[in-house]
Amino acid sequence: EDQVTQSPEALRLQEGESSSLNCSYTVSGLRGLFWYRQDPGKGPEFLFTLYSAGEEKEKERLKATLTKKESFLHITAPKPEDSATYLCAVRGSGGSNYKLTFGKGTLLTVNP
Amino acid sequence: DVKVTQSSRYLVKRTGEKVFLECVQDMDHENMFWYRQDPGLGLRLIYFSYDVKMKEKGDIPEGYSVSREKKERFSLILESASTNQTSMYLCASSSLSGGLNTQYFGPGTRLTVL
Repeated sequence: EDQVTQSPEALRLQEGESSSLNCSYTVSGLRGLFWYRQDPGKGPEFLFTLYSAGEEKEKERLKATLTKKESFLHITAPKPEDSATYLCAVRGSGGSNYKLTFGKGTLLTVNP
Repeated sequence: DVKVTQSSRYLVKRTGEKVFLECVQDMDHENMFWYRQDPGLGLRLIYFSYDVKMKEKGDIPEGYSVSREKKERFSLILESASTNQTSMYLCASSSLSGGLNTQYFGPGTRLTVL
């Protein structure tokens, strides 16, 4: 069974204070690791897909990286508008070809 | 841009009522999904559909059914709503092309069952 663990559960940063969120996973044959951002009361917004170890993707102040066991979402010089819950999900080769397994998320708060 | 819309943002229903949640996507995606999201439990898959009239149970299908009569529309049905079905319901869609099957989500429906 695929499993995803995100840490920390919550993170509070000052504006400009860079940090990283962790997503550890166990999956039989990774077919994709996905990062989403979710604002309160809204649906998750797609950020990145990573497929193979060593891959990196960037978008504004966010950079996602992938190893064989975990992914990091690095946030450089965050701003208050980066405050949200960040979700990680994986798709494995076992079982259904369509199913994503989600972590419980990291709630990021960036104070001005 | 992918657009997934859900029929209601907020819904209040009584115990025992039949509830319909509608989801529409405009990107000709083959796959559509229904999740519920609860504090501390994360997103849990209820049902998904990989083609018109085709459906597959997710992790928590009990108390729910689905309908997909047209490619763009996927409905979640609560046959007899119960208070433990109070939750945020999220619809998503994805395409088979491109290989990675990225799921795109709608805005969510906050359902309260009294």
